Amino acid sequence: EPEVTQTPSHQVTQMGQEVILRCVPISNHLYFYWYRQILGQKVEFLVSFYNNEISEKSEIFDDQFSVERPDGSNFTLKIRSTKLEDSAMYFCASSETLAGQETQYFGPGTRLLVL
Amino acid sequence: KQEVTQIPAALSVPEGENLVLNCSFTDSAIYNLQWFRQDPGKGLTSLLLIQSSQREQTSGRLNASLDKSSGRSTLYIAASQPGDSATYLCAVRPGNTDKLIFGTGTRLQVFP
Repeated sequence: EPEVTQTPSHQVTQMGQEVILRCVPISNHLYFYWYRQILGQKVEFLVSFYNNEISEKSEIFDDQFSVERPDGSNFTLKIRSTKLEDSAMYFCASSETLAGQETQYFGPGTRLLVL
Repeated sequence: KQEVTQIPAALSVPEGENLVLNCSFTDSAIYNLQWFRQDPGKGLTSLLLIQSSQREQTSGRLNASLDKSSGRSTLYIAASQPGDSATYLCAVRPGNTDKLIFGTGTRLQVFP
């Protein structure tokens, strides 16, 4: 069964460093998402992406964050200068369409720890 | 602003019991509602998606219902098993938006 994959599974970085989290969505999916979950808190939406541009973003997704689809398979989230509060589990998701009825499929997550 | 609440926060039951997890949301203008399972330190596994026009969906021992007008959904698990132990999350997709808004989850433990 097709699945969303994410790398790395864990990342430790120093405050102020740049990190890139990578995702490979399901191959025939057209809509891509990033969510995060701070330990003990709700899963929160960050951004959605379609047709090589951001479709929607939350107030969390400020200028320190960017997303890119550098080729036909990868979808990346970049944090330019990490802060302690960026420590969280980051989930990538994808859906086939955005018809209002489509299931979003989630990857296993990247656990980011900022020291 | 859409808020999603799940009750109870935690539940511990003996194997074989039928159980109901509750999810409520404040704004009934939704496209769909999804139930997910999250194992400790792991990703989210989609269990069921209910469209806004549907009343319920079934998959194996799972049955999810949706009452959009009252802002409620329930996830019914029949004949629970220890392997069902996980956190169950519900998430709504509001109208005219891409995102899912998640509840805080119900942590379920099924003991033998």
